[in-house]
Amino acid sequence: DTAVSQTPKYLVTQMGNDKSIKCEQNLGHDTMYWYKQDSKKFLKIMFSYNNKELIINETVPNRFSPKSPDKAHLNLHINSLELGDSAVYFCASSQRRGGNNEQFFGPGTRLTVL
Amino acid sequence: LAKTTQPISMDSYEGQEVNITCSHNNIATNDYITWYQQFPSQGPRFIIQGYKTKVTNEVASLFIPADRKSSTLSLPRVSLSDTAVYYCLVGDRKAAGNKLTFGGGTRVLVKP
Repeated sequence: DTAVSQTPKYLVTQMGNDKSIKCEQNLGHDTMYWYKQDSKKFLKIMFSYNNKELIINETVPNRFSPKSPDKAHLNLHINSLELGDSAVYFCASSQRRGGNNEQFFGPGTRLTVL
Repeated sequence: LAKTTQPISMDSYEGQEVNITCSHNNIATNDYITWYQQFPSQGPRFIIQGYKTKVTNEVASLFIPADRKSSTLSLPRVSLSDTAVYYCLVGDRKAAGNKLTFGGGTRVLVKP
């Protein structure tokens, strides 16, 4: 069974479109995250939710909006996609909030904006 | 907010020991140091975590000096399958300070 899953794995779209990436974890964890990894492999946190409550909201354009319908799911919606949004987006979860908790990452979603 | 600095890349050969040092000069009292490994086209996965001194598990060892301003991940007798990017993460365990900063990662290439 996949612990942290993301869909889709690949996403190719045109500039200006709106798209969503879904994430689900079956580990029973309280905290979930979205990270963006650029072409230089820098892994930057975007958002974090703890029990459906937003606890980390880094400097991310308003076009990005996370939603957590329940603590097992954290989706990422992106409006008006731009070329610079092309990257790999990783979802992760940890048992509790706090940087000392082991994070379990999903396989990533490679987004390509044309 | 503790920022980390790692070497961009390192080359090694099978059977050698690889040591990767991460600098985190402004680490806070409550911060833990965690290392992750990432293979191509996969998400990072946890390797080891420590707060001070030395931690060892079946995969690696983590050395943390008394001032905690740096840490060294040691991979004993690497194999080709250890070729990956290794990230150092300094995280605050306090609920209010939940910032997570990954470094740029160190690309380790193990050669035959």
